[in-house]
Order: sequence, then C-alpha cells, then structure tokens
Amino acid sequence: DVKVTQSSRYLVKRTGEKVFLECVQDMDHENMFWYRQDPGLGLRLIYFSYDVKMKEKGDIPEGYSVSREKKERFSLILESASTNQTSMYLCASRGIQGASEKLFFGSGTQLSVL
Amino acid sequence: SQQGEEDPQALSIQEGENATMNCSYKTSINNLQWYRQNSGRGLVHLILIRSNEREKHSGRLRVTLDTSKKSSSLLITASRAADTASYFCAPGTPGNTPLVFGKGTRLSVIA
Repeated sequence: DVKVTQSSRYLVKRTGEKVFLECVQDMDHENMFWYRQDPGLGLRLIYFSYDVKMKEKGDIPEGYSVSREKKERFSLILESASTNQTSMYLCASRGIQGASEKLFFGSGTQLSVL
Repeated sequence: SQQGEEDPQALSIQEGENATMNCSYKTSINNLQWYRQNSGRGLVHLILIRSNEREKHSGRLRVTLDTSKKSSSLLITASRAADTASYFCAPGTPGNTPLVFGKGTRLSVIA
C-alpha cells in the first residue's frame, strides 16, 4: 500500500516555539505539498516542492518555511508558532505527471498553539 | 492553478437515497478530480475525469463533466451511512501545477 506518513497526529505547542511537521512518502514521488485546513476556509496551500531542494510558495506561506533534503521527506517549519497557526496540517504527494495524477494525502496533524 | 467551488455547502439525506454534488470552475482544465475526507482525516482520491470525457463511473459513483458550462457533478447512488464525509473537487490545469481545493460539500447520510 502506498503511504504518506505524517509524524504526529496531534501536537500541542506554545507560542514562540519552533515547530517541525514531518512528512514522508514511500512512492518515490517528485511532488510534495503542504496544506492547512480551517473550518469555513477549506484547504489552503502553504508550500510545495517539485524536487529535492526545490520549494515554491503557495497561497499562504507567511510564517512558514519548508525543507526538502531528501526526495521522500518534506518538512514544514513554523519558525515562531503563533495561535493563528492552530490548524489541521495536511501533507500530500504525487508523481511526475503533475496535475494528471492523483494526490495521496497523509492523515493530518492537528496542531494546537497555546 | 484554479479552485473549484462545490455546491451545496451541506447536504443531508436518508440512507438509500442518491446524493448529488456540483462543482464549478473558471478556466480551461485538463481534468477534474474528486476527493473525499472523513472527519479529521486526510483526503482520499475518488475519481479523475479528463477534459475529453463526459461521464465516468466507479462503483456507486458517477461523475459528469460539462466543459462548456465549466461544471462537474458527483452522484453517489444508494448512499450509506459510511458515505458521510466532505467531498472536494479539484480542477487540474495544464502543467505541473498544484491542486487547489475549495470548501467542499459536507454530506450527512442518516441511517
């Protein structure tokens, strides 16, 4: 079975902490994505990556950074967590055919920033 | 990238009934994908319909695409309580562009 694994299902952090959300896929996919999902706002794209060491800003990159040192791993970093970053974070990946391919999602990380 | 807009926002039906959800988009697409999300989980891909297709079936799912109206519909026949979830459409545009999701349709199937 193909898998996208997010390191934590639930996470509680304090304001100002540096937070790492990890995502690993086992499908040798080139493309990886980070979304956040909030009630009433749907899914919003934070960052994405087409290849190792490449990154592109999505619609709401402010307050976030990413790292892709290896093909299978895409990390989302909250440099200094704030309460408005409390959200469900979803990682996804897909193959090289891009928008003609389906996305595989992880189970999500529910992050609470207190 | 472009976002699809699902309609209605919420839908409540009895088990055994059919559920229809609609999606509209604004510009040309290569394909359109539908996803399901169970409460608090990640999205799961349901079906992809290409721009040169008008209808596609997968089990109890039927998807139609009308490129002239820039719209798609997802029909779930003989709904079950387990179909209770949010459903999202995502237009696929040319090139290696990210999929953008709307707010989805929240379907409740009452046993």
